Amino acid sequence: EIVLTQSPGTLSLSPGERATLSCRASQSISGTYVAWYQQKPGQAPRLLIYGASSRATGIPDRFSGSGSGTDFTLTINRLEPEDFAVYYCQQSGSPPRTFGQGTKVEIK
Amino acid sequence: EVQLVESGGGLVQPGGSLRLSCVASGFTFSSSWMHWVRQAPGKGLEWVSRITSDGSSTSYVDSVKGRFTTSRDNAKNTLHLQMSTLRADDTAVYYCARDHYGCFDLWGRGTLVTVSS
Repeated sequence: EIVLTQSPGTLSLSPGERATLSCRASQSISGTYVAWYQQKPGQAPRLLIYGASSRATGIPDRFSGSGSGTDFTLTINRLEPEDFAVYYCQQSGSPPRTFGQGTKVEIK
Repeated sequence: EVQLVESGGGLVQPGGSLRLSCVASGFTFSSSWMHWVRQAPGKGLEWVSRITSDGSSTSYVDSVKGRFTTSRDNAKNTLHLQMSTLRADDTAVYYCARDHYGCFDLWGRGTLVTVSS
């Protein structure tokens, strides 16, 4: 099973700042099979990025994904108030599909 | 409207059974692989199971193999999760989700399953 480790656990930032979230895999994954989700309290997750760098439908361009091999990054430029949430990475390159433990982006 | 709506959650005793359902609308359900993903209270996301578009193939996370069964009725646009021999650590919100190139692009709002005596 591929273990995804996200860092940091919590990111304290102010609106307008840039957030950089990391997801490290225990073994190499094709970027085709890496996705990122946003989850707010009491809500279902929402797909942000798939294929490591492709934005899902309706996702603002301040969200971007990058990476390859074992290291993947989600970047949020110019944080908006609605961006404060928990973010998860996920892989489907090797069964079973697994998620990282999440990074909480909180208001500083 | 494109959506997934889960139902069937509730309180069940350890060792008991429960059947979850997920009704799809607004898209061609019969063409979509579907999944169940769960989230224990205050915890992260865990993939539970997957079923192919025609229902011919299923897969499960190790912790539920032999206890959970995923099925679908394409005529009724409905996905099911039959859960048996439930344990306390199965307590979670259960989401159904649509597959999109290996990730999950459409989620329901979830249904809470609580396993407790």
